[in-house]
Amino acid sequence: DAKTTQPTSMDCAEGRAANLPCNHSTISGNEYVYWYRQIHSQGPQYIIHGLKNNETNEMASLIITEDRKSSTLILPHATLRDTAVYYCIVFPGNEKLTFGTGTRLTIIP
Amino acid sequence: GAVVSQHPSRVICKSGTSVKIECRSLDFQATTMFWYRQFPKKSLMLMATSNEGSKATYEQGVEKDKFLINHASLTLSTLTVTSAHPEDSSFYICSARGPTQGNEQFFGPGTRLTVL
Repeated sequence: DAKTTQPTSMDCAEGRAANLPCNHSTISGNEYVYWYRQIHSQGPQYIIHGLKNNETNEMASLIITEDRKSSTLILPHATLRDTAVYYCIVFPGNEKLTFGTGTRLTIIP
Repeated sequence: GAVVSQHPSRVICKSGTSVKIECRSLDFQATTMFWYRQFPKKSLMLMATSNEGSKATYEQGVEKDKFLINHASLTLSTLTVTSAHPEDSSFYICSARGPTQGNEQFFGPGTRLTVL
């Protein structure tokens, strides 16, 4: 029961902004949009989350469309260390996290 | 962010033996811990959810008698793979959530299990 759709893979040049899209057209009103990433052979790392408003932290920005049916994670200045699988997850926040297949982002020197 | 550790980071065992993996929340109390399994080039698959002091809730298709989960304290959960077989070889990852951390789940670094 995939709740999100993400591209399988993306490339981005080092130093450029990486924009990772996510479609979640069936999102419910109480569900947040969470982003995690997983660098090879490590546990997932929390990046950012939001409900309706755009959010920014030291790692990334999250842009959520007004109808909340899609969002974009922005890494403003990608580095080689940002190469990872990025997971977009929607859930109410007090339940279990279910991971989809994510987007494999490769940063190219 | 909060820190979750796992021990061991990797383990190799013989078929038929049991292996215990520990998951600890180092700087917060984890009322809920989750165990995931990940096969190569695949996504994380949730195995079970454990709440401190109560029995774990297993996902459909996960054998509770094979994957024993104990969450005896607010900072420690253990996963024991009993009578391990080569098909149990995988990357096991735990995560933890606590009342002081909002709804965020913090993940451990994972344990690579290889069963010979």
